[in-house]
Amino acid sequence: DAKTTQPPSMDCAEGRAANLPCNHSTISGNEYVYWYRQIHSQGPQYIIHGLKNNETNEMASLIITEDRKSSTLILPHATLRDTAVYYCIVRPPYQTGANNLFFGTGTRLTVIP
Amino acid sequence: NAGVTQTPKFRVLKTGQSMTLLCAQDMNHEYMYWYRQDPGMGLRLIHYSVGEGTTAKGEVPDGYNVSRLKKQNFLLGLESAAPSQTSVYFCASGLFVGSYEQYFGPGTRLTVT
Repeated sequence: DAKTTQPPSMDCAEGRAANLPCNHSTISGNEYVYWYRQIHSQGPQYIIHGLKNNETNEMASLIITEDRKSSTLILPHATLRDTAVYYCIVRPPYQTGANNLFFGTGTRLTVIP
Repeated sequence: NAGVTQTPKFRVLKTGQSMTLLCAQDMNHEYMYWYRQDPGMGLRLIHYSVGEGTTAKGEVPDGYNVSRLKKQNFLLGLESAAPSQTSVYFCASGLFVGSYEQYFGPGTRLTVT
């Protein structure tokens, strides 16, 4: 499985866009990039995933570089409720059996009023 | 649409006692998972189920049993609790085989004394 590297912490002003980077230089051609977050004392929350094209949903946008070696999660208008640890993980598709999630250390995003 | 719910939210057990954690999902997902999360250890998969009536072992199954009698419910049992089982337990569900898009419950905080 490809490893990921994320900055340990970031701050973002409330109302501004939060751009969270992730490096996954050893990603294989069929591996997807997934983003999760975990707000303090809550369960992990799925945000978005993608393969090579940029993706957008109601929560965030995912920008994947053309060489797929890095990606950026964008929260367009950060609020205080977005303060959480954000995890970028890389996984191959269609593994049978346990689709186990291994979270690394992630990025602790603090949204500042 | 409640998503994934877990009961109880908190529990304190004495060593040797037993209990059952209940997970319920209303999203008609085939896959369900039980994880534990300990400080500095990330998520570890205990058991999972790929459909009603089926269960399988994950990464750390010892000391736990599970049952999936109904598609919407996944039960985690501790037959004889040990202090090493003090943890936060998360249930998750997923729709597609091979997808790492999982939806988590709020967690059960268990302390074994």
